[in-house]
Amino acid sequence: QQPVQSPQAVILREGEDAVINCSSSKALYSVHWYRQKHGEAPVFLMILLKGGEQKGHDKISASFNEKKQQSSLYLTASQLSYSGTYFCGTARTTGNQFYFGTGTSLTVIP
Amino acid sequence: DTAVSQTPKYLVTQMGNDKSIKCEQNLGHDTMYWYKQDSKKFLKIMFSYNNKELIINETVPNRFSPKSPDKAHLNLHINSLELGDSAVYFCASSQWTGEYGYTFGSGTRLTVV
Repeated sequence: QQPVQSPQAVILREGEDAVINCSSSKALYSVHWYRQKHGEAPVFLMILLKGGEQKGHDKISASFNEKKQQSSLYLTASQLSYSGTYFCGTARTTGNQFYFGTGTSLTVIP
Repeated sequence: DTAVSQTPKYLVTQMGNDKSIKCEQNLGHDTMYWYKQDSKKFLKIMFSYNNKELIINETVPNRFSPKSPDKAHLNLHINSLELGDSAVYFCASSQWTGEYGYTFGSGTRLTVV
């Protein structure tokens, strides 16, 4: 039931854009996105709910396609501080079991 | 003021020992979780408690026993530690709906030798 993320790893130069995808085999109610820096805890970025709109803050945004059971995270004009491992997390209903995706390692280089 | 605090941060112990990890949150959340992150960085849910009631108990060896004395605390006790238990254990909390996301503790790196 673990959602699958792609790509597994990506290396960007500062200022480049990236897209991280998250796919589930089950119908979804919500998708979360988290970033984990090396040696630290995952930090919540945003949540997308079924029937909700595309979300974003600053240069990081995300979309949720309920029919395809997929979500994408968009990072534009990447900064060095964006480096880390990104996880999606999915739930089928409110309060339902929540599963983290396989993770995407993103490295931004000068 | 730390929102979700875990202790200890590091734990090195020998096989066969019993150890505990403590977690406390001051966010007023009603749901708490234990996650295990292995060397490949997979975050796997182990347990979740809602208002002190066990909600999720994934396929975890019964050597692992969570205890929630109140909704602000969730501890994890591990008996007869094995080499394969080495991992980073994260405590997290959220509102039941999860709509504001999960807040994680800083993690406990457990090394079994």
